[in-house]
Amino acid sequence: SAVISQKPSRDICQRGTSLTIQCQVDSQVTMMFWYRQQPGQSLTLIATANQGSEATYESGFVIDKFPISRPNLTFSTLTVSNMSPEDSSIYLCSVEDRSQDSGNTIYFGEGSWLTVV
Amino acid sequence: AQSVAQPEDQVNVAEGNPLTVKCTYSVSGNPYLFWYVQYPNRGLQFLLKYITGDNLVKGSYGFEAEFNKSQTSFHLKKPSALVSDSALFFCAVRDIRTGGFKTIFGAGTRLFVKA
Repeated sequence: SAVISQKPSRDICQRGTSLTIQCQVDSQVTMMFWYRQQPGQSLTLIATANQGSEATYESGFVIDKFPISRPNLTFSTLTVSNMSPEDSSIYLCSVEDRSQDSGNTIYFGEGSWLTVV
Repeated sequence: AQSVAQPEDQVNVAEGNPLTVKCTYSVSGNPYLFWYVQYPNRGLQFLLKYITGDNLVKGSYGFEAEFNKSQTSFHLKKPSALVSDSALFFCAVRDIRTGGFKTIFGAGTRLFVKA
């Protein structure tokens, strides 16, 4: 499976500021996904990021709040804008394995643990 | 619409005993089913998957899962639990026919293995 690196791994952010999370993959991938895991909760898909097109956002998530870039097949960024304490979460980058017999399994980075104060 | 349910918030088991973490799913087509584990302060790690074929699939760390189509279940099992198995486990489903690119996750089950 691909090796997925996220930066930052952790951060404490001030209310009202924005933070950009970077996701780097060691191989070219078509589909990249950004998930959020709020404290004690399951994973919620924020958006799907394909190279060369606008990200597709899930219900409840908007581009103004979570702008995403996908400049090439190995890199993506997620920005959390105008942060509030409710944005304190783990943000997870994931990629899809599209090889034969993979079942389109998705693999995750270690996550970016954000605390907004 | 596809969905997945993990009916237990928490499972407690003594070390050396068998463990089961339950998962049921609902999809309109044929499901792709997955289990992931999250150890404390870590991201999610892929454990195993069912796509087709043998209903019993084996994965990492000695875990296995049994696909039961009639009961729409995909329970995670391990014959002998270790204290180090204590973690948060997520079942996930993907309906390739109608779900597109989305993998849907259950609420998670926290496993506590007591020495």
